[in-house]
Amino acid sequence: GAGVSQSPSNKVTEKGKDVELRCDPISGHTALYWYRQSLGQGLEFLIYFQGNSAPDKSGLPSDRFSAERTGGSVSTLTIQRTQQEDSAVYLCASSFFRMGFSRSGNTIYFGEGSWLTVV
Amino acid sequence: QKEVEQNSGPLSVPEGAIASLNCTYSDRGSQSFFWYRQYSGKSPELIMSIYSNGDKEDGRFTAQLNKASQYVSLLIRDSQPSDSATYLCAVNMPRGNKLVFGAGTILRVKS
Repeated sequence: GAGVSQSPSNKVTEKGKDVELRCDPISGHTALYWYRQSLGQGLEFLIYFQGNSAPDKSGLPSDRFSAERTGGSVSTLTIQRTQQEDSAVYLCASSFFRMGFSRSGNTIYFGEGSWLTVV
Repeated sequence: QKEVEQNSGPLSVPEGAIASLNCTYSDRGSQSFFWYRQYSGKSPELIMSIYSNGDKEDGRFTAQLNKASQYVSLLIRDSQPSDSATYLCAVNMPRGNKLVFGAGTILRVKS
C-alpha cells in the first residue's frame, strides 16, 4: 500500500481481555517496528522485525505482550489479559533496509496508530 | 544514561525567531540520525535525516551533527505558529539496527 496501515484505529476493551493490533507495512519494506506512546510521553520501543532474522523483543514490557510477522509482511501485536496501564497508542513503522546500506535504508515511516483504551 | 536524551521543554520562541532543539546520544557507533515532528494526536512525521558531521539544510530547517560530542541539533528559522509541535530525535543503534527515540521537546511558537 501507499503507507503503513494499522487496524483497528481505536479499541476500547475491558481489563483482562486479550487484544490484537494489526500492521500492514509499506510494500517492499523489510523492517517493521512497534512502538508504544502513552499520553504525553515519548515513544517506547517494543519490538523490531528485520527480514528473516530473529526479532529484537527487548522492548516488550511483559510476557503478556507478543508479536509476530507472517510472510515477512503483516504483523500482529497481541496483548493478553490487558491492564489499564496498557492504555496507549500503539504505533507501527516500517523501513526499507539492506545490509551494507545502513544510511539510506533506515528512514522509518509511521502508521496512524491504534489507540487502545482499557477500562 | 538514556540512549537518546532531549530536553522536554516546553521551548517557547516568538514568531520569526530561530528555534534550537538539541539531542545527545550514548552509542558512539551510531551512524544515522533523524528528526521527527509530532502534532498532538498525530503520528510522527520525518523532517530530516543526517548521517555526516556538519550541517544539512532543507528549507527553514537545518540539522547539525557532531559525532565527537555525540550531539545532534535541529534549527528552525523564521519559526511559525504552525511549527508548534513535539520534536523527536531518533538515533539508529548500530547493534541490531534498532531506532531509538528521545522523549521529545515541546516547541511553542507564539504569534
